[in-house]
Amino acid sequence: AQSVTQLGSHVSVSEGALVLLRCNYSSSVPPYLFWYVQYPNQGLQLLLKYTSAATLVKGINGFEAEFKKSETSFHLTKPSAHMSDAAEYFCAVSSGGYNKLIFGAGTRLAVHP
Amino acid sequence: DARVTQTPRHKVTEMGQEVTMRCQPILGHNTVFWYRQTMMQGLELLAYFRNRAPLDDSGMPKDRFSAEMPDATLATLKIQPSEPRDSAVYFCASGFKDNSPLHFGNGTRLTVT
Repeated sequence: AQSVTQLGSHVSVSEGALVLLRCNYSSSVPPYLFWYVQYPNQGLQLLLKYTSAATLVKGINGFEAEFKKSETSFHLTKPSAHMSDAAEYFCAVSSGGYNKLIFGAGTRLAVHP
Repeated sequence: DARVTQTPRHKVTEMGQEVTMRCQPILGHNTVFWYRQTMMQGLELLAYFRNRAPLDDSGMPKDRFSAEMPDATLATLKIQPSEPRDSAVYFCASGFKDNSPLHFGNGTRLTVT
């Protein structure tokens, strides 16, 4: 069975600092991996997706993630945090076709001046 | 910009009442999911459909929850009778291709008193 673990339920960074949100996955088959962002009172929006075409994936809003098979990781990074990045971030793995997504518990990112 | 539309956005009801939540998936999408989000459990998959046929509803409490797709433009999630523990945000999401991203609605925030 596929699963996702997000390390750190809360991450706090200063504006302009590096953002690093951690995600490890478990999958018996080559995974499809996703990062979603959720702003207050909204649904989830896709940040980026990994579909085996390239290990470094660039997404919206300056975010990127690197797939590392040896570490079973798909960490999300952004070189310089902006106040508007404050939100909750979810890592997800696609399980068994049919677009079925299994989500991690989420990481709440706070950005302070 | 195509969107998944959910109604109502907010619902407050008393314990024992029937609740119906509606979802209009993106036109052309053939897979529809219902997720529930709570602080304690995070995002839980309740049920999903492919081409209007239910594929898996093992995440739903069968005695009180039911999910249907009367047609390709409407998915419904019903709770009867509702209980305070059902209080959560319910998300609908749609997709059209295996392992492609899901598109989420803005959710229905349900409060059962």
